[in-house]
Amino acid sequence: DAGVTQSPTHLIKTRGQQVTLRCSPKSGHDTVSWYQQALGQGPQFIFQYYEEEERQRGNFPDRFSGHQFPNYSSELNVNALLLGDSALYLCASSRNYNEQFFGPGTRLTVL
Amino acid sequence: AQTVTQSQPEMSVQEAETVTLSCTYDTSENNYYLFWYKQPPSRQMILVIRQEAYKQQNATENRFSVNFQKAAKSFSLKISDSQLGDTAMYFCAFMKGIVGGADGLTFGKGTHLIIQP
Repeated sequence: DAGVTQSPTHLIKTRGQQVTLRCSPKSGHDTVSWYQQALGQGPQFIFQYYEEEERQRGNFPDRFSGHQFPNYSSELNVNALLLGDSALYLCASSRNYNEQFFGPGTRLTVL
Repeated sequence: AQTVTQSQPEMSVQEAETVTLSCTYDTSENNYYLFWYKQPPSRQMILVIRQEAYKQQNATENRFSVNFQKAAKSFSLKISDSQLGDTAMYFCAFMKGIVGGADGLTFGKGTHLIIQP
């Protein structure tokens, strides 16, 4: 049983560009959450998708948007990249109240 | 809004010793869950242990146990017989209980635990 997968592993972009990160949830999970983890910090909740809709959102600007597909996979889009967007982006999947299982993350570097 | 505080940025113990990591949280919620996650250098976040706020009994998973003090809003993690593989960042996390699903996690800043041979 494959766990949570994320692509790509690493990504380098320049300021002002747009980026799309992808996540496939663990089998049987229907909820996907995205987190941003800056270097040396704990992850911060960006938003959560369930039934193809954004259900919960953390304190992130509208430049951060997402999508969930009918097969429960999800994308995170970030527009107008800033240097401060450089971070590890983690995807986690879950079902109901069960714990969130995390993927290996995508390391985004903005130059 | 919830906050999670981990006051120990780094801890170092000898192999086979017992170590306790501290975590306090602040919330006005009554229905919530608490977690300890481990993040090794490989960076994959792994769940160590989970505690439901409505349960009085402290959770235990093999060498890992918690001391959950609801009134004091304290949730410490005890690792017994520590092993070299326990070296990692440890994050305490809070999740509000919501009807029909899971909320986003609020994490502390983490404690870097180093197990010395």
